[in-house]
Amino acid sequence: ETGVTQSPTHLIKTRGQQVTLRCSSQSGHNTVSWYQQALGQGPQFIFQYYREEENGRGNFPPRFSGLQFPNYSSELNVNALELDDSALYLCASSFGGNNEQFFGPGTRLTVL
Amino acid sequence: QQQVKQSPQSLIVQKGGISIINCAYENTAFDYFPWYQQFPGKGPALLIAIRPDVSEKKEGRFTISFNKSAKQFSLHIMDSQPGDSATYFCAASGYGGATNKLIFGTGTLLAVQP
Repeated sequence: ETGVTQSPTHLIKTRGQQVTLRCSSQSGHNTVSWYQQALGQGPQFIFQYYREEENGRGNFPPRFSGLQFPNYSSELNVNALELDDSALYLCASSFGGNNEQFFGPGTRLTVL
Repeated sequence: QQQVKQSPQSLIVQKGGISIINCAYENTAFDYFPWYQQFPGKGPALLIAIRPDVSEKKEGRFTISFNKSAKQFSLHIMDSQPGDSATYFCAASGYGGATNKLIFGTGTLLAVQP
């Protein structure tokens, strides 16, 4: 059974740029949730994708957007990067409405 | 109403001791309460979880105690080991659709001294 994988591991961008982060869900899982974890904080829910549709969104602006593909992998896109977007971005996969969510290792984004 | 409050912020325990971390919630619609363990530079790993229909769940050295009337739950780590040194997060969610988003506490940094 393959766990949740994310790429890239680390990323450095400058303010105003755009970034795409990728996630492959755990085998058998069809739901992907994205979280932002600032340094020293708990993860904050960004949004969730189920059957290629956004299925709930946290308190994040529209410049945070996403996609889910037929193989259930997902992308997180962030436009017009701001310094405060520097964080660990975590992807979690689950099956349907099942509460159990399994996290990937995360992508560390640094915005300069 | 969506918050999950976690304490203490940090905890130092001697090897072999018991580590106790507490969480409190407000939203009575929450019906799933997991604990995650996170090592530096890694993603959170699901440790143990409980639903409100039971008051306690034990898996190995890890036990969740749940008090539905007080809206509180806690993690007990028995016989704490240096390898348990990590940040622990409690979380809460409801079942189904967007409501299974996890609301996390602020984390507890546990240091187990040898």
